[in-house]
Amino acid sequence: SQQGEEDPQALSIQEGENATMNCSYKTSINNLQWYRQNSGRGLVHLILIRSNEREKHSGRLRVTLDTSKKSSSLLITASRAADTASYFCATDNLWQGGSEKLVFGKGTKLTVNP
Amino acid sequence: NAGVTQTPKFQVLKTGQSMTLQCAQDMNHNSMYWYRQDPGMGLRLIYYSASEGTTDKGEVPNGYNVSRLNKREFSLRLESAAPSQTSVYFCASSEYPPSGYSGLTNEKLFFGSGTQLSVL
Repeated sequence: SQQGEEDPQALSIQEGENATMNCSYKTSINNLQWYRQNSGRGLVHLILIRSNEREKHSGRLRVTLDTSKKSSSLLITASRAADTASYFCATDNLWQGGSEKLVFGKGTKLTVNP
Repeated sequence: NAGVTQTPKFQVLKTGQSMTLQCAQDMNHNSMYWYRQDPGMGLRLIYYSASEGTTDKGEVPNGYNVSRLNKREFSLRLESAAPSQTSVYFCASSEYPPSGYSGLTNEKLFFGSGTQLSVL
């Protein structure tokens, strides 16, 4: 079964606004990653946050992680039309000391209107 | 650098036909993965190979087989294609498993551009 669930499923904003996407997961994790997928392309890694981190920044991206609530958020500030894409969270499910694979959520489709 | 290369990019099959999707990476990565992406379902793991010489089932392995030919190449085979296998298939690789064997963590995946498969 899928681990991460993004919310909302779709988001439409104007250029310059901030976009916030949320991800909830079910089991303990080592880290959580966010990926972007442009239409018709493969996924591209954006940012990784470890389970002992609460916040991480990368350029216009800000990711938070709340392990007590098993949730993460991705904030894109000052959005641009080029940010139009689907965004996925991915987690490694901890079991017996390790995990060999990433499990992806269903994604949030972000549309940034010029 | 080419990164992860998948072939073919598009394929149409008839029910019952077989085919192999090819994937190669040039980053000397140890771990490779096959995912399928369906509308509203996100990405689901079919099979993965944590290291050369090992393969394991993912979430949706039925109807598929894989071969880790060498460190670079990881192929996905559909022995008898069914309409339910119509999907976009992505191959991915990472230097190590997400948080496995070596004790290393923080491993990100690199994806190919996908194969769009239609089974009629």
